[in-house]
Amino acid sequence: GESVGLHLPTLSVQEGDNSIINCAYSNSASDYFIWYKQESGKGPQFIIDIRSNMDKRQGQRVTVLLNKTVKHLSLQIAATQPGDSAVYFCAENTDGGATNKLIFGTGTLLAVQP
Amino acid sequence: DTGVSQNPRHKITKRGQNVTFRCDPISEHNRLYWYRQTLGQGPEFLTYFQNEAQLEKSRLLSDRFSAERPKGSFSTLEIQRTEQGDSAMYLCARTGGGNTGELFFGEGSRLTVL
Repeated sequence: GESVGLHLPTLSVQEGDNSIINCAYSNSASDYFIWYKQESGKGPQFIIDIRSNMDKRQGQRVTVLLNKTVKHLSLQIAATQPGDSAVYFCAENTDGGATNKLIFGTGTLLAVQP
Repeated sequence: DTGVSQNPRHKITKRGQNVTFRCDPISEHNRLYWYRQTLGQGPEFLTYFQNEAQLEKSRLLSDRFSAERPKGSFSTLEIQRTEQGDSAMYLCARTGGGNTGELFFGEGSRLTVL
């Protein structure tokens, strides 16, 4: 796809398995974190967010975990489906979401094998 | 449908030419953002508007770049004297009604500078 790079980290999973996508951030001032999904030829799509006063948040089939001690964020997708195949980006914000000025990380390509 | 329409979807131009991209969000949202995405990378913040006021510009936005939102609805991003390094996907986004971290992105305008 247009937005998929040649050297993106790739996670390959079987349909039905759980997926875990990891992200490290470096700015200790970041206080708001968001996961986006980007399918080929489309703009990023919001999945889930978490504020720095939380360490876990659940959505539909997705869970985000935040470990501020080691500056690590993860996205867990339960029962991965072929439609989950996309590039996933974590993004951070340093003003608690007051603006939507986001710093995106390097994406991870999730490839779901049928 | 994210409520953000971008045109043109793809523009091929020769180095030194000027290009203009347009973004049309659904009208009731006040904040509008421009991001740039190169192949294999996450989007990078360029600038944003609150109604017609341009509130912040990234250092990535050189003097050759200008963005406007004259009536607080649609926005344009113009690049003068294009360079090959300007080749990228230019993404426009609007804020959502609730979650402040959620951006609704358009499908982007891909620029190729030959």
